[in-house]
Amino acid sequence: AQSVSQHNHHVILSEAASLELGCNYSYGGTVNLFWYVQYPGQHLQLLLKYFSGDPLVKGIKGFEAEFIKSKFSFNLRKPSVQWSDTAEYFCAVKLRGSSNTGKLIFGQGTTLQVKP
Amino acid sequence: DGGITQSPKYLFRKEGQNVTLSCEQNLNHDAMYWYRQDPGQGLRLIYYSQIVNDFQKGDIAEGYSVSREKKESFPLTVTSAQKNPTAFYLCASLLPVAGANVLTFGAGSRLTVL
Repeated sequence: AQSVSQHNHHVILSEAASLELGCNYSYGGTVNLFWYVQYPGQHLQLLLKYFSGDPLVKGIKGFEAEFIKSKFSFNLRKPSVQWSDTAEYFCAVKLRGSSNTGKLIFGQGTTLQVKP
Repeated sequence: DGGITQSPKYLFRKEGQNVTLSCEQNLNHDAMYWYRQDPGQGLRLIYYSQIVNDFQKGDIAEGYSVSREKKESFPLTVTSAQKNPTAFYLCASLLPVAGANVLTFGAGSRLTVL
């Protein structure tokens, strides 16, 4: 079965540190890739997405992610985190096929805690 | 203000009782989804519906039921058959246009079984 794996379950960083959250998926076909973020007490919202083209995608709030097809990975990065980045981050994959059901497969989530 | 409204935000239930979670959207989206969120497990798909009067089981449909009588509404019933219903439930919708497959989520409903 297809799956999405996030390597880090809980990450603690100090402000200004660099961030990289790992995401790998198991599916040999074409995929759409997403990172969602859930700030404390807020809706789950889209951070960035990759559909095609340039494998380095930029999202909101200075986040970016790189799709490496050969590694089945879509890691999330930010050069310098802020306290306001404290949240839970989810990687998600949509399998592209004949039926456009929109179903996403989510990773387990990574809780990021940024210390001021 | 367009979006997805879930209610109630918090719900307590005794074992053996069915409970229905509401999900309403005014985005005119065709497809709607129910996910369950548990710590350390991410989001798992319960049911989804691509059009009115049609819905499909997701990965963990056992113990749940849904209906889709109106485009804007997709209620989820957690039945007494669901073995471990305490969780955070998220409703989402999608306008299935090619290249624009982005889910919009509601604020969620937290169900606790006492």
